[in-house]
Amino acid sequence: DMQMTQSPSSLSASVGDRVTITCRASQSIRTNLNWYQHQPGQAPKLLIYAASSLQSGVPSRFSGSGSGTDFTLTINSLHPEDFATYYCQQTYSIPGTFGQGTRLEIK
Amino acid sequence: QVQLQESGPGLVKPSETLSLTCTVSGGSISSYYWTWIRQSQGTGLDWIGYIFYTGSADYNPSLKSRVTISIDTSKNQFSLKLSSVTAADTAVYFCARVGQYRTATAHHYFMDVWGKGTTVAVSS
Repeated sequence: DMQMTQSPSSLSASVGDRVTITCRASQSIRTNLNWYQHQPGQAPKLLIYAASSLQSGVPSRFSGSGSGTDFTLTINSLHPEDFATYYCQQTYSIPGTFGQGTRLEIK
Repeated sequence: QVQLQESGPGLVKPSETLSLTCTVSGGSISSYYWTWIRQSQGTGLDWIGYIFYTGSADYNPSLKSRVTISIDTSKNQFSLKLSSVTAADTAVYFCARVGQYRTATAHHYFMDVWGKGTTVAVSS
C-alpha cells in the first residue's frame, strides 16, 4: 500500500496564527491528494481535493499545494473552529490510504 | 443538501458478521460511487471499499476476503457486511459519497459528503 506520512502529528497554535501541515507519499501520486478536517463526533469535512482545489463552501484561509510526493495544507489566520484533526488521503492507487492525522490544538 | 446516516448494531460478537447500512437523504444514490471507511485507535483511517450505483464494487485488498458492499437504489441505501470479525475490527465506521473531478489529463476522486459515523465494538 501507498504510505502517507503527515507531520507534525500534533501542533499547538493560537487564534490568528498561520499553520502548515505536510504530507509525504511513499511514491509519486501526482496531484491525487485530498485534505479533510475532522471534529470529534462530527462528519469529516473535505477541505481540498486534487492537491490544491478548494472545496465549495470552505473558507479561503485554507489552501493546499504540492505534487508528486510532497504536499502541504496551510491555514491562514486560524479561527476558533479550525482546531481539529486534519488528514491527508491519496487516491492515486487502491486502497486510498490516509495519513495518520495532525491534531491542531489551541495554545 | 445530501446527508448520510449510518445505522446498525453497536456490538458484534467475535467470528460473527458486522452489518451496517448507510441511508442517503436529500439526493439520489444514482450516478455516484459510495464508500465505507473506518477509524480505529490503532490504525487511523482505513478505506474499506466502494460501490457504484450499478452495483460494481471494489475493496481494500487487506479486507477483500471478508467484505461485501451492496446497494439498494430503490431505498437510497448501501450496506457493508464484514464477516469473521475480531477485536481488531472495533472501530467507528463512516459512509461517504465519492465525488469526482476531471481535467484533460487527470481524474480525481475524493469523499465530499460523510456520515457522522457509528461505533461498532467487537466483544463477547
